[in-house]
Amino acid sequence: DTAVSQTPKYLVTQMGNDKSIKCEQNLGHDTMYWYKQDSKKFLKIMFSYNNKELIINETVPNRFSPKSPDKAHLNLHINSLELGDSAVYFCASSPLSTSYEQYFGPGTRLTVT
Amino acid sequence: GESVGLHLPTLSVQEGDNSIINCAYSNSASDYFIWYKQESGKGPQFIIDIRSNMDKRQGQRVTVLLNKTVKHLSLQIAATQPGDSAVYFCAAIIYNFNKFYFGSGTKLNVKP
Repeated sequence: DTAVSQTPKYLVTQMGNDKSIKCEQNLGHDTMYWYKQDSKKFLKIMFSYNNKELIINETVPNRFSPKSPDKAHLNLHINSLELGDSAVYFCASSPLSTSYEQYFGPGTRLTVT
Repeated sequence: GESVGLHLPTLSVQEGDNSIINCAYSNSASDYFIWYKQESGKGPQFIIDIRSNMDKRQGQRVTVLLNKTVKHLSLQIAATQPGDSAVYFCAAIIYNFNKFYFGSGTKLNVKP
């Protein structure tokens, strides 16, 4: 009965590889987000989708591409991984794009070697 | 731009005492604020929010105070419990522009 789930939980890969992180929410929410949290716990929003439409697209390298096949899923694909991409990536959802009461997933720890 | 900061990176309190975690923001256009709690190994958890047309909001054992004049936000936790031990973040949001700015977090340690 997990509300927001992410896979994988851990991801170790080499520089230059392409990887994807998946997120699913079963809360019936309309809006989903991707966040990046660095080693100093600093949290930064990357993207937000509302009903499969991109509504927030912060300044992130275009190697990061979100994809929302339906409103319950928001995946993050990263091309040509770099060392600086190492972080914990959190997916979140909220009922509406106008509501910021977000429910976060458990995070995916990405390590690029 | 926006910077959101927390005055103390680590706060230690005795169980049963009240805790106060502070946050400063720089952009006066911020009109919505959220406090999150993040336990070790977990994602952030929404605690309480406040809009800029309010200066105080209370939840269960938590109170958020907003002082727009000095661009300061605080989270008060009453009768702090060991389960309150976590990192607490504030976020300042410019609502109509969907702009989010997060602080770096304060770690709260509750001593039994």
